[in-house]
Amino acid sequence: EDQVTQSPEALRLQEGESSSLNCSYTVSGLRGLFWYRQDPGKGPEFLFTLYSAGEEKEKERLKATLTKKESFLHITAPKPEDSATYLCASNTGNQFYFGTGTSLTVIP
Amino acid sequence: ETGVTQSPTHLIKTRGQQVTLRCSSQSGHNTVSWYQQALGQGPQFIFQYYREEENGRGNFPPRFSGLQFPNYSSELNVNALELDDSALYLCASSNTGKGDAEAFFGQGTRLTVV
Repeated sequence: EDQVTQSPEALRLQEGESSSLNCSYTVSGLRGLFWYRQDPGKGPEFLFTLYSAGEEKEKERLKATLTKKESFLHITAPKPEDSATYLCASNTGNQFYFGTGTSLTVIP
Repeated sequence: ETGVTQSPTHLIKTRGQQVTLRCSSQSGHNTVSWYQQALGQGPQFIFQYYREEENGRGNFPPRFSGLQFPNYSSELNVNALELDDSALYLCASSNTGKGDAEAFFGQGTRLTVV
């Protein structure tokens, strides 16, 4: 069964304390691994798409990487405004499978 | 800010009623997908429309139905509402029917069934 699992469920970091979020997937026919940021009560905001193992993409303090079974979202020196829920999703052509997300809180 | 807009933003319905949610896709996008997001959960895929045809469906009963119009806007209809249908309903648009392009989400419609 196609599945996406994220860990940890929640993460509290001090401002400046770097960490990583994990997304593991068991999906047949993967056609992209997506990362989104979601603020409370709002729709997800697109961050990255990764297509092949070994691929990396960066945006400000965020860096996403992809292996054959996992993706990581690395957050370097986070700031309070990075607090949000981070969702990963796999795409198999015409359907996205989302994980339940990691709720990140960055404390000043 | 994306160009995907959803209406209404909030809605309260009674069990057994029917509801229609609307989505205007981003300019130039021909694919619309609908998702249901329960509190504390990730979005669950309902279905996708590409050039007015259903192009994939998740594990939702037939009382969830949709339409896509020639201008690529879309509607989600839910009949015989149940309490468990209370959720945030999200619409996402992209510019390919292949599904491997990035999808841009609207702000969602919060549906409460009482």
